[in-house]
Amino acid sequence: SQQGEEDPQALSIQEGENATMNCSYKTSINNLQWYRQNSGRGLVHLILIRSNEREKHSGRLRVTLDTSKKSSSLLITASRAADTASYFCAIVSGTYKYIFGTGTRLKVLA
Amino acid sequence: DTAVSQTPKYLVTQMGNDKSIKCEQNLGHDTMYWYKQDSKKFLKIMFSYNNKELIINETVPNRFSPKSPDKAHLNLHINSLELGDSAVYFCASSQRDQETQYFGPGTRLLVL
Repeated sequence: SQQGEEDPQALSIQEGENATMNCSYKTSINNLQWYRQNSGRGLVHLILIRSNEREKHSGRLRVTLDTSKKSSSLLITASRAADTASYFCAIVSGTYKYIFGTGTRLKVLA
Repeated sequence: DTAVSQTPKYLVTQMGNDKSIKCEQNLGHDTMYWYKQDSKKFLKIMFSYNNKELIINETVPNRFSPKSPDKAHLNLHINSLELGDSAVYFCASSQRDQETQYFGPGTRLLVL
C-alpha cells in the first residue's frame, strides 16, 4: 500500500506543550502536504513541503521532511485547546495522486 | 464567502436509490476532486477532473459518476445506492494538479 502511515494514532497533551506527529510513506514523492480536520468539518491545508525541501515553518507549525527515511513530521509548538483536531499527511507522488495518511487525533487539554 | 461548497450537507436515503451531490468552487481553480471518508476517517480519492481530463480511481464502482457542467462545478452522481456507500463525501479543488487542495464541508450520506 502507498498509504501514508501516521503515528501516533492519538495524542493527548496539556495546553502549552508541544505536539509532534509523524508520517511515513513507501513511494517517491513530489511533495507532502499536511492538513487539519476539525470534528465534522472539511480538511484545511496547513503546509506543503516539496521533495527538495527539508524544513518549513508557518506560525507555530514546523514540518520536516526526510526523503531518505521516507518520513515527515509535524510539530505544533505551544499548543492551544483550539488545536484539537485530526491531522493528516497527504503524499503527492504523481499526476493526480494524492494519498492521505491514516491521521493523528490530537486532543489538547485546557 | 465559501470557497468550496457542497449540497446537501446531509443525505439519508434507501438502498437502491439514485442520488446526486453538488459541488461548486469560486476559486477559479482548474482541477476538482471527490473523496470518500469512511467511518475510520480514512480518506480516499475517487476522482480527479480538470476541463480536459477525468482520472478515475480504479477501485471506484461504476455506479459512481462525476458530472461537470462547467469548470466551477463537479457533481457526483451515485446509482443504485448500497449500504457500504454510507460515508462522508468531500469535494476539493486546487489551482493545478499536485498543489494545495481546498476542501468543501462534506456531505454525510447514510444509506438505510
